[in-house]
Formats: sequence, structure tokens, C-alpha cells
Amino acid sequence: GENVEQHPSTLSVQEGDSAVIKCTYSDSASNYFPWYKQELGKGPQLIIDIRSNVGEKKDQRIAVTLNKTAKHFSLHITETQPEDSAVYFCAVPRRYGNKLVFGAGTILRVKS
Amino acid sequence: DTAVSQTPKYLVTQMGNDKSIKCEQNLGHDTMYWYKQDSKKFLKIMFSYNNKELIINETVPNRFSPKSPDKAHLNLHINSLELGDSAVYFCASSQERLSTDTQYFGPGTRLTVL
Repeated sequence: GENVEQHPSTLSVQEGDSAVIKCTYSDSASNYFPWYKQELGKGPQLIIDIRSNVGEKKDQRIAVTLNKTAKHFSLHITETQPEDSAVYFCAVPRRYGNKLVFGAGTILRVKS
Repeated sequence: DTAVSQTPKYLVTQMGNDKSIKCEQNLGHDTMYWYKQDSKKFLKIMFSYNNKELIINETVPNRFSPKSPDKAHLNLHINSLELGDSAVYFCASSQERLSTDTQYFGPGTRLTVL
């Protein structure tokens, strides 16, 4: 089945700095790569996703990059703000069974 | 105008009891899910229903029984609760059954088994 590894497990940055979270997957046929953000006491929420026909996608301060050859994709947050503090999950579809396999999550702390 | 709602938000109960968690979505989606999030934040799918039909059952103990009376509701009943069932349970929905569809999560139900 699909295996997703996410690093780092925790990340502390100073407000205004950039944060990068990386996920590695095993199935070369994977074609959809979402990132979810989970704020304290809430459910995860999709913040950005990318399909395999593009290498990068941006939405204001967040971006996702995809390296299909190396089978990894990364979330980039620039000019971090305290409200970016949350748990971030990458996910990859399992080839069979119509489900998403989530990474283990990254706790991001933005210190002001 | 809550999209995916769950009740209750907190549930504290004794080992051996039976409890239910309810979920409703008003997005008009065809597919609903139950996820379990453990104390290390690991998020794992348990069940998925599409138009009231079970499509994913991830080797969950049969003490857990989902029920979908209509496509807007997916409830989770748990029999003979065990300490290891303590977790946060999330309901989610998506437009269709494709794994590439955006999933919309509810606020979660924190279950504590004493």
C-alpha cells in the first residue's frame, strides 16, 4: 500500500521566517498531493493541493512543490505569522480503495 | 451554516459502556467518513460511506458499527468501550468517492474511556 513519510515532526520558527515541511511517498502512480491544516480543537482543513501535471502551486504565502522523480512534495510557508501555528498533514491517495493516506503530521510553532 | 457537525464534542465514559457519535453534513455531499486521531495526532480512516453504502472498512474491530440513515448522516456506535478507544473521532465528507476530492472535516469528538 501507499507509504507516506512526513518531516519534521515538529518545527519552531520565528515570526516572519519561512517554514518548509516535506513528504515522501512510495507509489509512483500517485497524482494528487493535498496539504491539510489542523488548528487546535478543530478538524483538518485543506489549504492547498497540487496535481502531478504541475511542479509548483502558490496561494499567497503558501506554496506546494512537487518532485515526481524523487517522489516527494513540500509545503512552503513564507512570512510566518502566529496564526500559522497548527498541525500540518500531507496526504496521498491510495491507488486502490479510494482513500487518502495521511502523513504523521508536523506541529508548527511560530514564535512572536 | 456549519458544514459538517458532530455531537457530542466531548464524551467521557466508563470501560464496557456503549456510546454513539452523530455526524451530519449540509453540503449535499455523497460520501462521508469516520477517522480516528490518536494522542500522537496520527489520522487514520476507519470507514467510508457513499450514498448510504459502505465502501471502506479499515479492519476496525466489529465493536464499531457505522450507520448511515441517509447520505447526510453517518453515525458511529461503539460497543463495549475499551481504554484504547480513547481518541478524537472526526467525521468528514466529500462531494464524491474519489480520493482526489477535497474532504471537509467536522470539529471532532474527544472520547475518553476511564
